Amino acid sequence: QKEVEQDPGPLSVPEGAIVSLNCTYSNSAFQYFMWYRQYSRKGPELLMYTYSSGNKEDGRFTAQVDKSSKYISLFIRDSQPSDSATYLCAMDAYSGAGSYQLTFGKGTKLSVIP
Amino acid sequence: ETGVTQTPRHLVMGMTNKKSLKCEQHLGHNAMYWYKQSAKKPLELMFVYSLEERVENNSVPSRFSPECPNSSHLFLHLHTLQPEDSALYLCASSPHERVTYSGANVLTFGAGSRLTVL
Repeated sequence: QKEVEQDPGPLSVPEGAIVSLNCTYSNSAFQYFMWYRQYSRKGPELLMYTYSSGNKEDGRFTAQVDKSSKYISLFIRDSQPSDSATYLCAMDAYSGAGSYQLTFGKGTKLSVIP
Repeated sequence: ETGVTQTPRHLVMGMTNKKSLKCEQHLGHNAMYWYKQSAKKPLELMFVYSLEERVENNSVPSRFSPECPNSSHLFLHLHTLQPEDSALYLCASSPHERVTYSGANVLTFGAGSRLTVL
């Protein structure tokens, strides 16, 4: 079983739609949950991150973490063509000095159609 | 220049060539990383440097050789690559290193170097 599962899509939605992007994970040690956005021919950029369970909102974006189900989501309200990108979930845990556990999903490619 | 800069953006090389990828960060960060991004696969961590010292090597083949001369610069030297090494190579940096910091490890990525091995 892979540590982080993410449906690669592609996902195509009309402008204005609510988008839901999801990841599941198996490592219960993960504490930090991040979403990166990657535009074509660019590197990933951090969109937002949350610590432990709960919701976090930033403008049109809401990140949700359910540690009991090992499931995280990113919601995009009123989606815009400029939201068209690949969205990567990433999870991290600190397991001692010098240990790196940042694990990425495969990314979901989103297209928002005008 | 701001952020993380990678050169070249595109590189085509034969299997017997030797080339290098360069990364420079202008953020004053303490840790730098090389990642490999292939289609339909998660980002793969290759190397981590913390305060110019390599702290992690995820069993990367020896045909990839990293170099970190100072905290702002990172190189990936390439030699006798295989066609399956064709990918986007991403450099990243983060403010803290895992030796002492237990908070969220937020990375800033460069735009990547697209490598094609013929």
